[in-house]
Amino acid sequence: ETGVTQTPRHLVMGMTNKKSLKCEQHLGHNAMYWYKQSAKKPLELMFVYSLEERVENNSVPSRFSPECPNSSHLFLHLHTLQPEDSALYLCASSQRLTTVGLKAFFGQGTRLTVV
Amino acid sequence: DQQVKQNSPSLSVQEGRISILNCDYTNSMFDYFLWYKKYPAEGPTFLISISSIKDKNEDGRFTVFLNKSAKHLSLHIVPSQPGDSAVYFCAASEESGGGADGLTFGKGTHLIIQP
Repeated sequence: ETGVTQTPRHLVMGMTNKKSLKCEQHLGHNAMYWYKQSAKKPLELMFVYSLEERVENNSVPSRFSPECPNSSHLFLHLHTLQPEDSALYLCASSQRLTTVGLKAFFGQGTRLTVV
Repeated sequence: DQQVKQNSPSLSVQEGRISILNCDYTNSMFDYFLWYKKYPAEGPTFLISISSIKDKNEDGRFTVFLNKSAKHLSLHIVPSQPGDSAVYFCAASEESGGGADGLTFGKGTHLIIQP
């Protein structure tokens, strides 16, 4: 248990569906992240939120839409996805602007399958 | 172009022996490095880290070595135990940038500890 909780753990959706992934952290961190892990690829950073403001968007297609309503919650809204978007989506949180190093804590991930 | 490389997709080590996992990076701005461990169906969990001002950090059975001139780091696990079987990810960040870019990960090395 890392203190970062993701729901759902597994999700199967059609290409015309709209769904949302949820992430929650109770570690008092002020930064949250979405990462994508595809088969045989490194974890790819998608979005960074710091103090509820988006500070990074790594050229992610607009069919992925993040939302950070407060420092404890992060959502990833999905719509009209493609089969190649099937992957493990990982949420992480950390304390930014710290001298002790950017140690991120990860959730267990959501295994997404687009059919 | 991958900035963090783990060139060994898998490594098999006998129980009780030393496991050495290697990682190379290309971005000279990276100044903080981490190792994460990942079991199937779980998110990565933080293992050990090292700042660029050090060349060695030790935590129990785990030691990370950093060679800045070679842009190379390694994780040593000794003695290796069956529970160490997992995928190990090397990650790096630019602390001086406040971690705005999050962590950059390698593809991972699957460590298999044989009894």
